[in-house]
Amino acid sequence: EIVLTQSPDFQSVTPKEKVTITCRASQSIGSSLHWYQQKPDQSPKLLIKYASQSISGVPSRFSGSGSGTDFTLTINSLEAEDAAAYYCHQSSSFPLTFGGGTKVEIK
Amino acid sequence: EVQLVQSGAEVKKPGESLKISCKGSGYSFTSYWIGWVRQMPGKGLEWMGIIYPGDSDTRYSPSFQGQVTISADKSISTAYLQWSSLKASDTAMYYCARHDGATGFFGDYWGQGTLVTVSS
Repeated sequence: EIVLTQSPDFQSVTPKEKVTITCRASQSIGSSLHWYQQKPDQSPKLLIKYASQSISGVPSRFSGSGSGTDFTLTINSLEAEDAAAYYCHQSSSFPLTFGGGTKVEIK
Repeated sequence: EVQLVQSGAEVKKPGESLKISCKGSGYSFTSYWIGWVRQMPGKGLEWMGIIYPGDSDTRYSPSFQGQVTISADKSISTAYLQWSSLKASDTAMYYCARHDGATGFFGDYWGQGTLVTVSS
């Protein structure tokens, strides 16, 4: 089973700051890494697919990068509405797995 | 419009059985996989398993194999997650999500979640 390790677990950020969340896989997964946002009391929402591919309707301040074992989600110029938990997810092999999540709080 | 609508919240006692549902609409139900994800109170997302309604091909996470059963009825575009004997530790929110196996196993559309509470 591929283990995904996210860091940090928690981040408190002021609006307009840049946020960087990392996700490390226990073995190479190519670019089969996806990112989700989950706001309080809502279902998860797909933000980025295949490490860096944008999703229609997702603000351009969200971007992803990486391949192999190391991946990054970047939120440029954080907005208040971005307060949420963020999860990485690998689809390289079954069982599919999620990272532990990163909670982003707005100061 | 693609929609996944899940069944309502459930309150059960330990040892009872339960089957929750996820009904897809707005797309060809038999052409996409449906996955199930658990979220325990205050915790992260856990991938449980996935089914392809077209031929009922099903894969489970080892953590959930033997603990739950995933099934689908393609005639009514509905996937199911069931337990034969619930435990208090099954208390959680459960989400279903559509996955396009052809382009990748990521959840592009999600249900609203079903809260399952198991308490004596």
